[in-house]
Amino acid sequence: AQSVTQLGSHVSVSEGALVLLRCNYSSSVPPYLFWYVQYPNQGLQLLLKYTSAATLVKGINDFEAEFKKSETSFHLTKPSAHMSDAAEYFCAVNSMGQGGKLIFGQGTELSVKP
Amino acid sequence: DTGVSQNPRHKITKRGQNVTFRCDPISEHNRLYWYRQTLGQGPEFLTYFQNEAQLEKSRLLSDRFSAERPKGSFSTLEIQRTEQGDSAMYLCASSFPGDGTLAFFGQGTRLTVV
Repeated sequence: AQSVTQLGSHVSVSEGALVLLRCNYSSSVPPYLFWYVQYPNQGLQLLLKYTSAATLVKGINDFEAEFKKSETSFHLTKPSAHMSDAAEYFCAVNSMGQGGKLIFGQGTELSVKP
Repeated sequence: DTGVSQNPRHKITKRGQNVTFRCDPISEHNRLYWYRQTLGQGPEFLTYFQNEAQLEKSRLLSDRFSAERPKGSFSTLEIQRTEQGDSAMYLCASSFPGDGTLAFFGQGTRLTVV
């Protein structure tokens, strides 16, 4: 069975500081990994995805994530936080043969202080 | 096509009433997914369709829940005899076939059962 663990339900950074949101996954087969962002009362918007190509994946709004198989991690980073980055972030896994359904972590709420 | 559309955006209903939600996917996508998201949690998979065929249902989908996609286009999710525990955001997503393909989410229907 697949699972996702997001470390830290709430992360607070200052504007301009590095953003690091942690995600560890469990999968018995090679995974596809995703990061989504959700603003209040909105659906989910894809930030980036990993599908076994390059291990460093670049997404929208200067976000990127690195797939580390040895650590079963897929942490999300952004060099410089912006006030508009404040939102809920979800890591998700979809393993081969699962019909495309996503298994989500519990989410990390990012706050950005001025 | 402006993306995945869900209606209504908000629904307040009394306990015991039936409710129905609609999802219109991106037109060329033949996979359609339903997820449920409760407060402070990540989305949980409920069911998915490929064209008009319902290929998988989660154990979360009790017998009070039924989903249809009669012509392989829009889908409906009906909840009969609603309970307070059904209060959640119901999210619809669509994609092309394939395990690692990108799922696009609608803005969700927020259900409140009073």
